[in-house]
Order: sequence, then C-alpha cells, then structure tokens
Amino acid sequence: AQKVTQAQTEISVVEKEDVTLDCVYETRDTTYYLFWYKQPPSGELVFLIRRNSFDEQNEISGRYSWNFQKSTSSFNFTITASQVVDSAVYFCALSEANNAGNMLTFGGGTRLMVKP
Amino acid sequence: NAGVMQNPRHLVRRRGQEARLRCSPMKGHSHVYWYRQLPEEGLKFMVYLQKENIIDESGMPKERFSAEFPKEGPSILRIQQVVRGDSAAYFCASSHVNTEAFFGQGTRLTVV
Repeated sequence: AQKVTQAQTEISVVEKEDVTLDCVYETRDTTYYLFWYKQPPSGELVFLIRRNSFDEQNEISGRYSWNFQKSTSSFNFTITASQVVDSAVYFCALSEANNAGNMLTFGGGTRLMVKP
Repeated sequence: NAGVMQNPRHLVRRRGQEARLRCSPMKGHSHVYWYRQLPEEGLKFMVYLQKENIIDESGMPKERFSAEFPKEGPSILRIQQVVRGDSAAYFCASSHVNTEAFFGQGTRLTVV
C-alpha cells in the first residue's frame, strides 16, 4: 500500500523567509511518480511538479525547488523568499508508474500562511 | 488549470436527490480521474476512466456512486440518493497517457 505523510499541518512565516515543506512517502513499487500540487484559497488544484523515481536530480523553478532523496523516501519542497501569494495548502502525492501514473495517493496537506 | 472544465461549480441537493457532476477534459486528453475532498480530509482517488471504459474504480463507494466517460461528451460522476456525508469538493483531472494530470476547479456539493 502507498502512503504519503506531510507531518507539518500548518506553517506560518513572514514574507521573504524561506520555507521547506516536508513530504515522506512509502511504496513497494520500484517505479513511481511524486507530485506537488498547490491549492490556493480559491480552491482549485494547481500542478507544480511531477518527478519520476529514477530521476533524483534536484529541480529548481524560480523561487521553488524540490529535493528528492530516495534513501530517506522524501520529496521536500522549498519556497525561497516567500510571498503572500504563496499562502495556500500544498499537497504532496505519489502514484504507481502504470495506469498512466495519475492515480494519486495524496498526503494530508500543509497549510502555508505567509504574513506580510 | 482552466483547460479542465467542471460544472457546476457549486451544487446544492436535498437528501435523497441525485447529483450529477460534469467534467470536460483538456483538449486531446483521453484519461479522466475523479477525486473527492471531504471536509478536513485530504484528497482521495475515486475512479479512473478512459473513453467508454472504467479502468480502475477502487476508490468509489460501492453503492450510489457511478461514473462514465462516453465516446462523446463530458465525463459524469453520478451520486444517487445523496446523504449529508456526500458533501465535499469533487475534483476531476485529465491527462494524456503517462503525462501529468491537470485538475479542474472542482464542484462543491452541499447536501442539505
């Protein structure tokens, strides 16, 4: 069975601080995908990243970066110089690589509040 | 992602009525997924469909819930005889084969 744990239910930071959202996963599959989605107050789900289990390269996209460590089964997400618009709930998710790779098991989410 | 269209955005039903939620996938996407977000809970997978086929419905409640993705038209998630516990946000996502899925804005179902 697959499981995703986001131990931080809520994080509050002041604007311009860096913040890391933790994600730990469990799976018996050797090939899988990891995802991060953002859910702003308006409620929609915004895709941020999908990473294949064979690709352990860290990724940077603007102020966002992701650290994938297979050895610790973690896929952490860092926002550099946070902004108020980053306030949202962030979900980490996991899927098997078969069945189009989009039957996702989500973590419980981390609510990030960025204060001005 | 604006490309996946869900309607209605908000739906209110009385207990015992039927709820029909619609999802039009992004252009060219042939894979559709439905998820449910119950209050104070995370997102849970319900069903995965391709055109005219249910591929995996392991997350669907055994009774009252059904889903379809016909050859023409949107995917439909149907909930019969709704109960208060069905109140939730229902999200649809679509993808090409083996690419990331993009979600619609969700339908908020309230059962009164």
